[in-house]
Amino acid sequence: RKEVEQDPGPFNVPEGATVAFNCTYSNSASQSFFWYRQDCRKEPKLLMSVYSSGNEDGRFTAQLNRASQYISLLIRDSKLSDSATYLCVVTPMFSGGYNKLIFGAGTRLAVHP
Amino acid sequence: DVKVTQSSRYLVKRTGEKVFLECVQDMDHENMFWYRQDPGLGLRLIYFSYDVKMKEKGDIPEGYSVSREKKERFSLILESASTNQTSMYLCASSSEQGSIGKLFFGSGTQLSVL
Repeated sequence: RKEVEQDPGPFNVPEGATVAFNCTYSNSASQSFFWYRQDCRKEPKLLMSVYSSGNEDGRFTAQLNRASQYISLLIRDSKLSDSATYLCVVTPMFSGGYNKLIFGAGTRLAVHP
Repeated sequence: DVKVTQSSRYLVKRTGEKVFLECVQDMDHENMFWYRQDPGLGLRLIYFSYDVKMKEKGDIPEGYSVSREKKERFSLILESASTNQTSMYLCASSSEQGSIGKLFFGSGTQLSVL
């Protein structure tokens, strides 16, 4: 079983729609959680961190469910520019000065007019 | 803005060749990483370094080595390239004082081994 699993999609949604993706992780000792965004043929960039209490940044809301071991990303009022692959990232443990990041394979979102 | 620069965007090499992938960051970051990204597998960590001349194996170090002679530069070396090393290679850096999980990536090198 993969440490971090995501539905690869694609999720095809019209502009203005609300869309949500989940990501499950297998290590219950996981410490920190993040969403990265990767545009086609570009490098990943940090979108937002996911806190235990949830995190909202404009149209984006991230939630953590430790009991069921998943995190979610909700995008409201989707824009064409939201089309990208969204990578779920988990740190299973904190080891010394280095935080090991485990990346999911990503969920592709395509927003159409 | 942090800048992580990878020397080549596309590279084509032959089986058995020695390949050097170079990465330079301009933000005085302590940590540097090499990942490869393959469809359906996500990013997998090859090697990382948390200080000059220091290196640690990641999850898939076989067939690779690294060099960090200067803080700003982290090189990935394929001693004898093989076709299964065809992939997108991404370099990243992060600061000890920065947020955990915040990596700055280069734009990637698409390596094809024929």
